[in-house]
Amino acid sequence: QVQLVESGGGVVQPGRSLRLSCAASGFTFNTYGMHWVRQAPGKGLEWVALIWFDGNHKYYADSVKGRFAISRDNSKNTLYLQIDSLRAEDTAVYYCARDRDYGQDAFDVWGQGTMVTVSS
Amino acid sequence: QLVLTQSPSASASLGASVTLTCTLSSGHDDFAIAWHQQQPEKGPRYLMKVNSDGSHTKGDGIPDRFSGSSSGAERHLTISSLQSEDEADYYCQTWATGIQLFGGGTKLTVL
Repeated sequence: QVQLVESGGGVVQPGRSLRLSCAASGFTFNTYGMHWVRQAPGKGLEWVALIWFDGNHKYYADSVKGRFAISRDNSKNTLYLQIDSLRAEDTAVYYCARDRDYGQDAFDVWGQGTMVTVSS
Repeated sequence: QLVLTQSPSASASLGASVTLTCTLSSGHDDFAIAWHQQQPEKGPRYLMKVNSDGSHTKGDGIPDRFSGSSSGAERHLTISSLQSEDEADYYCQTWATGIQLFGGGTKLTVL
């Protein structure tokens, strides 16, 4: 079945880096745009980043530009999010989500999320 | 500026129907949106995409009790025959070139 499984979260000190992964299965990964979305404790959903199906176009929310980098390895059916210079406000559950199209449509599949806690 | 507005809360009785609304900002009433459900302590789940003409495309396994519609800049999610498991947060989402946006979410309480 169609599935997204995130990993790589944990407790990290401010200023450090972290790389999140999202393993995809059950669909042709290299034909879909992919997103990262985060949710701070008790808050709503916040879109973070988008990468087109072929990796040639990447977009970021203003709040994370310059510190976050989205990438994908279509040979491994895996999506990544590199987070640098972590801040307390990056504390959130991070979800990966599949776009219904190449990268400009609704999200139709979600992962279960991975928790990132930034704390000294 | 593209903005989605949702009421923070809604409530309805078990077995009744409820309609949640997501309003697009001025000048964007031709945009499609998607509805997502987030049950307590769970990740979001895609419910459906709702186009400006009211047509909608539901996700796999979404019950017929869930339906979508449109009126001008408003996009609606109607849930009929409410069940206890429908108590959840509901988010609308829309998109433009290089950007994705969520509404603030509506917390639905089933009485």
